[in-house]
Amino acid sequence: DSGVTQTPKHLITATGQRVTLRCSPRSGDLSVYWYQQSLDQGLQFLIHYYNGEERAKGNILERFSAQQFPDLHSELNLSSLELGDSALYFCASSVDPGGSSYEQYFGPGTRLTVT
Amino acid sequence: KNQVEQSPQSLIILEGKNCTLQCNYTVSPFSNLRWYKQDTGRGPVSLTIMTFSENTKSNGRYTATLDADTKQSSLHITASQLSDSASYICVVPPGAGSYQLTFGKGTKLSVIP
Repeated sequence: DSGVTQTPKHLITATGQRVTLRCSPRSGDLSVYWYQQSLDQGLQFLIHYYNGEERAKGNILERFSAQQFPDLHSELNLSSLELGDSALYFCASSVDPGGSSYEQYFGPGTRLTVT
Repeated sequence: KNQVEQSPQSLIILEGKNCTLQCNYTVSPFSNLRWYKQDTGRGPVSLTIMTFSENTKSNGRYTATLDADTKQSSLHITASQLSDSASYICVVPPGAGSYQLTFGKGTKLSVIP
């Protein structure tokens, strides 16, 4: 158990809908990262937040947005969903503001299925 | 172009045997190299992080080596167990200040009885 929690575990929704994925980082971690993993692909970095502020964006679609709240939990909002958005979405947390030698701890993921 | 290449793409070994996975990278500047284990459908778990000055690092039955001159790393698994069946991913973030980890598909290891 990494200490990172994600809800829900599974989500099934229809095209065109909007969903919100939630992540709670490990106690004491200020950074939250979101990744997307499509079937048989590697994890793709989406976005990084540190202590409530956006720090970096990866290949995140404009239909996707995220935020980190004062209690440090984070939400990833996916809108106008398409079939291709079906994937595993992972959240990770770390203690640092961006030093790459620090460990990222991954949550169990949310499996999103768009039908 | 910063690249990380792993070999083999997949590997099947008998339980109890040893195996070695390879990672070649062209990422520059180099900060660290990480090995992750990812079970199917689950989040990656870190096995080791190696910095420039480290040649060998062990974590139980897992031993990683790093040759910064040739830009190669290997992950050796000793006395494999069925639970070692997973994807093993080598990640090399670019630069000292980068926290954007890029994960390839890694090497898919299957340990059979």
